[in-house]
Amino acid sequence: EAGVAQSPRYKIIEKRQSVAFWCNPISGHATLYWYQQILGQGPKLLIQFQNNGVVDDSQLPKDRFSAERLKGVDSTLKIQPAKLEDSAVYLCATASTSGANVLTFGAGSRLTVL
Amino acid sequence: GESVGLHLPTLSVQEGDNSIINCAYSNSASDYFIWYKQESGKGPQFIIDIRSNMDKRQGQRVTVLLNKTVKHLSLQIAATQPGDSAVYFCAEKGSARQLTFGSGTQLTVLP
Repeated sequence: EAGVAQSPRYKIIEKRQSVAFWCNPISGHATLYWYQQILGQGPKLLIQFQNNGVVDDSQLPKDRFSAERLKGVDSTLKIQPAKLEDSAVYLCATASTSGANVLTFGAGSRLTVL
Repeated sequence: GESVGLHLPTLSVQEGDNSIINCAYSNSASDYFIWYKQESGKGPQFIIDIRSNMDKRQGQRVTVLLNKTVKHLSLQIAATQPGDSAVYFCAEKGSARQLTFGSGTQLTVLP
């Protein structure tokens, strides 16, 4: 089966600019996660979707981060305005159901904020 | 709150030797644990998992041991190969039903 697709793979922006990342999950996977992985650290959950609804966004900095999954398939994560500390890899992961334990990750989108 | 930590940030082993990567967790209510491997430039890849009602689980060349008494988890890799060089993360699922990841151990396999 095709894996989780993410784009762009790399993005460099200046602080206060905006950026958007896109994720296409494995076909049929209803649950989608966005994680932030700062260099040298483990992934940290930002938001979880079940179909097109938000299950958990308690760790999403909502003053600058937003995410949507309008049709329950693809998802976008946006940062506006970006800060230096947002430099990280943004990982999308999907699972067949919300109760599934094993997540399948995409390759990630590496963001550098200058 | 929940936290997962690793004992060592780096580990170097000779090719062919066995590797042991350790992980400590703090939430005694966690009932599921999982190990991921992350190669440079890639997303984490599932290796093996274990539920809290087990203390050992084996896969192909990998074994996970769970000691709930001391809240410790380990990943053993037999006959370590160059392709095993990567960062290894343990993660646990607790009452929040979300995976919480540790900070990772960089495994380097020496020729």
